Amino acid sequence: EVQLVESGGGLVQPGGSLRLSCAASGFTFSSYWMSWVRQAPGKGLEWVANIKQDGSEKYYVDSVKGRFTISRDNAKNSLYLQMNSLRAEDTAVYYCAREIAYGDVFDYWGQGTLVTVSS
Amino acid sequence: AIQLTQSPSSLSASVGDRVTITCRASQGISSALAWYQQKPGKAPKLLIYDASSLESGVPSRFSGSGSGTDFTLTISSLQPEDFATYYCQQFNSYQLTFGGGTKVEIK
Repeated sequence: EVQLVESGGGLVQPGGSLRLSCAASGFTFSSYWMSWVRQAPGKGLEWVANIKQDGSEKYYVDSVKGRFTISRDNAKNSLYLQMNSLRAEDTAVYYCAREIAYGDVFDYWGQGTLVTVSS
Repeated sequence: AIQLTQSPSSLSASVGDRVTITCRASQGISSALAWYQQKPGKAPKLLIYDASSLESGVPSRFSGSGSGTDFTLTISSLQPEDFATYYCQQFNSYQLTFGGGTKVEIK
């Protein structure tokens, strides 16, 4: 059974940093692109970043470029999101999601971890 | 980035109704469109990919159509478990984007 379990969320002050983790199991993690998708409270979905199987390609939504870094450790079946210079508008539930083999479509999602940026 | 506009933003319908949701892209995206269902407090669930391909395990009452800039998600006979919010998502460009969502409520 495919499982994605996020952790690392919490309350952080504006300008602060946080590192999210996603532990994957039930599939060959190293064979899939992976993404982070977020959802602000009461709002819609926003794709944040994705990373190729070997980590050689990474893409970001414009609003997080230069502040967030996506990475992965295939030996640990884990995905990460390093978030720096956090802003109030980064407050959201952050989901880890697996992309299907032939396109940037998300077939499995984690349960999400809440990040709150507030003083 | 490619903008996706969903309409309506919300709708009220009864069990058994046929429901259609529209997603319009700001530029042509071929068939690179997916649809998701999200229930409160839960992660989204993939329903349709490549505009019209039904994800495994999804009931056949769900269908998708369209290409280029105009797409639709149709629920042929609304069931109680279908009351949720639906999102479209394009994957034609490396900057992935979602529509604003359509909330389907009970009439």
